[in-house]
Amino acid sequence: QQQVKQSPQSLIVQKGGISIINCAYENTAFDYFPWYQQFPGKGPALLIAIRPDVSEKKEGRFTISFNKSAKQFSLHIMDSQPGDSATYFCAASTTSNYQLIWGAGTKLIIKP
Amino acid sequence: DGGITQSPKYLFRKEGQNVTLSCEQNLNHDAMYWYRQDPGQGLRLIYYSQIVNDFQKGDIAEGYSVSREKKESFPLTVTSAQKNPTAFYLCASSMLDRGLNEQFFGPGTRLTVL
Repeated sequence: QQQVKQSPQSLIVQKGGISIINCAYENTAFDYFPWYQQFPGKGPALLIAIRPDVSEKKEGRFTISFNKSAKQFSLHIMDSQPGDSATYFCAASTTSNYQLIWGAGTKLIIKP
Repeated sequence: DGGITQSPKYLFRKEGQNVTLSCEQNLNHDAMYWYRQDPGQGLRLIYYSQIVNDFQKGDIAEGYSVSREKKESFPLTVTSAQKNPTAFYLCASSMLDRGLNEQFFGPGTRLTVL
């Protein structure tokens, strides 16, 4: 019940296209859902995060869509660029527990 | 410049040796974490600490030890008991503020056992 399942494992998108990465969870107590971006040989960095009181959050080309009833959330990258090529991790936590439960990651490649 | 520093960036160890990875933060964060990342895989929690002189085991603590003598420092020792220590090790920190769960990561240490 503590798991966060992330898909796909890898994704290739043409430059200018939309990249979509999905995550699903079971624990209904989760109330914080961040996405992290990691470049090779670097530590992950927070990209965007959402709480379940909203269904969508947008920051520039990055959007999180959240479906509370389905217990799913997704990251959409609009107008994908080669510089977006990285590994993306979803995660979840509760405000009472500061641990993040991590998805397995998605390696995104944007083809020029 | 506020942030998290990890050293060394690369570390080579012979089998049977203990090694200590350094993690320092000047963000005044209460909580610190150690993760292990294997190629093509996600992050697995080794240990975490929410307060000085206290720490808890994560999912894969066997073969590792930590200390938290100062708020800004959380060193990780990889002992000879860790059977497969070659991996990328990431240190992170966060505030302990209700609703603020963002973890900030260091640049990582890549450990290779020869």
